[in-house]
Amino acid sequence: GAVVSQHPSRVICKSGTSVKIECRSLDFQATTMFWYRQFPKQSLMLMATSNEGSKATYEQGVEKDKFLINHASLTLSTLTVTSAHPEDSSFYICSASGGYGVRSTEAFFGQGTRLTVV
Amino acid sequence: GIQVEQSPPDLILQEGANSTLRCNFSDSVNNLQWFHQNPWGQLINLFYIPSGTKQNGRLSATTVATERYSLLYISSSQTTDSGVYFCAVIRNTGGFKTIFGAGTRLFVKA
Repeated sequence: GAVVSQHPSRVICKSGTSVKIECRSLDFQATTMFWYRQFPKQSLMLMATSNEGSKATYEQGVEKDKFLINHASLTLSTLTVTSAHPEDSSFYICSASGGYGVRSTEAFFGQGTRLTVV
Repeated sequence: GIQVEQSPPDLILQEGANSTLRCNFSDSVNNLQWFHQNPWGQLINLFYIPSGTKQNGRLSATTVATERYSLLYISSSQTTDSGVYFCAVIRNTGGFKTIFGAGTRLFVKA
């Protein structure tokens, strides 16, 4: 199966600072990447969809100035949490899709990033 | 929007037991995936199954798209099967989205 690498796996930052999370597809070209947020014991909540070379599409209620998403190449998308606050603490997960034919929508997930804002 | 419901929400099994997890969805979908989220948060792809039946070792899945449900079977459960099982449907409407159910939390006792 395809491999998606997410980095860092854990990060602790101070309130007011920014944090960048990287999501890389290692062995395939990801035409579409997704960013999710997961609260404890809950399901994954889609934050935004990004296509290579174009602006991300954010879900309703997600602040685009707060969560900056860049999909600069077919193998890399980044999520930057700007001016982080304790309520931004969460588990963030990316997924990537980009095969051909009937499996073009199959999603492969990174390992996730646990963000703690102190 | 489309609704994805999973049942049961929680399940406790004795090691060696079999179980069936269900996923119902409210509208037609292009595809469906089953995932296992391990205790460290990693989502493992189990099946990509828009229709029909697939098997992989002790796991198998069946999707009946016309009736809008999918089933995940776990046979001879092991403690390492513990975790959360998610069903996710894919809708392609001018750009596709993956929509997750709430998950089934499974604990397998030794």
